[in-house]
Amino acid sequence: QVQLEESGPGVVRPSQTLSLTCTVSGASIKNGAYYWHWIRQHPGRGLEWIGYIYYTGSSHYNPSVKSLVSMSVDTSKNQFSLNLTSVTAADTAVYFCARGGPPVGRMGRLDSWGQGTLATVSS
Amino acid sequence: DIQMTQFPSSLSASVGDRVTITCRASQNMNDHLSWYQLVPGKPPRLLIYGASRLQSGVPSRFSGSGSGTDFTLTIHSLQPEDFATYCCQQTHTFPLTFGQGTTVDMK
Repeated sequence: QVQLEESGPGVVRPSQTLSLTCTVSGASIKNGAYYWHWIRQHPGRGLEWIGYIYYTGSSHYNPSVKSLVSMSVDTSKNQFSLNLTSVTAADTAVYFCARGGPPVGRMGRLDSWGQGTLATVSS
Repeated sequence: DIQMTQFPSSLSASVGDRVTITCRASQNMNDHLSWYQLVPGKPPRLLIYGASRLQSGVPSRFSGSGSGTDFTLTIHSLQPEDFATYCCQQTHTFPLTFGQGTTVDMK
């Protein structure tokens, strides 16, 4: 059974870079059937899709954060990561990593998620 | 972006009740819709994908229907573990977007 676990600093200073890692167990991140996503939930609000990365390194980001976000994958560690630069208080949120099928279409579901990690932007 | 409008935003129900949650898309998206259950401190759980396909391991009291712009999640007999927040997600086009969620609490 696949499991995902997010890790990263709980607090980040404004204008700094938020770096999060998702460690995948029970499945290989190199399985070409799956795409690896980041999603966040601001306090009291709905979910926001940030983007995905494929094991080859190809990626697709939400235009709302595209200029500030980058993702990477480390197949040797079965991990993928999120970097969000120049953070502000508006980036305070619970960040989830998730596994999904082909991102668009009927099968574009996110079938496994981590439990999320709270990242607070504060000086 | 496809806007997903979900309603109601909250509802109160009792164990055994039938609960219906609606999600409306701002444009036609065929059956490219998933439903999730959110419980604080736990991983979100996929319930339904492809608008009506039950995810493996999800109880059959959950069902989804709809296509185009209007979709429904039904819980046919609410159980104690079903008090949670439910949200829809469109997978028709980028960026992927979610509804704002419906919180089901105890009457």
